[in-house]
Amino acid sequence: GNSVTQMEGPVTLSEEAFLTINCTYTATGYPSLFWYVQYPGEGLQLLLKATKADDKGSNKGFEATYRKETTSFHLEKGSVQVSDSAVYFCALSGSQGNLIFGKGTKLSVKP
Amino acid sequence: EAQVTQNPRYLITVTGKKLTVTCSQNMNHEYMSWYRQDPGLGLRQIYYSMNVEVTDKGDVPEGYKVSRKEKRNFPLILESPSPNQTSLYFCASSFWGRGSYEQYFGPGTRLTVT
Repeated sequence: GNSVTQMEGPVTLSEEAFLTINCTYTATGYPSLFWYVQYPGEGLQLLLKATKADDKGSNKGFEATYRKETTSFHLEKGSVQVSDSAVYFCALSGSQGNLIFGKGTKLSVKP
Repeated sequence: EAQVTQNPRYLITVTGKKLTVTCSQNMNHEYMSWYRQDPGLGLRQIYYSMNVEVTDKGDVPEGYKVSRKEKRNFPLILESPSPNQTSLYFCASSFWGRGSYEQYFGPGTRLTVT
């Protein structure tokens, strides 16, 4: 079945460091891919998405490229801020309009 | 403001005492769903609804019921809660936009069953 694997956390970085959170997927067909962010005490918010191979999603300085050949959708940001501290979830679209999530990666950014 | 609301936000209850968590959205979305979030497991879908009076099981439906009598509301019912249903629950509503479904999540309901 469809599944998502993302790197285990927690990830701790200093402010202005480069961020990569790895995400790979297994799926039949051509799902859409998503990154969601969950700030402490809040629900999930859509950060970015890509709907077909080679698409690049971007938002708030974050980027991820849909790589069909490596079945990956890694999240990157060139310079993280303390306000980026959150849990990040990679997800793919299921066949019934649902989302299939990875386990989440907690990011802590220190000043 | 477009939003998904859930009530209550926090609930502590005892085994076997029926409870309902309400979910409402004001965006006229047809698709709604419930997820539970557990440490180390991410989010897993419990039930979903494609439209009024149409509901179906997700990945972990055991011990839960839902109903969809109105488009805006999608309550989650635990007829006889057990401690393994202690979790963080999220309601979501979706629309089709920019080539895929996009889901809006509620703020979550933290349930503890003792």
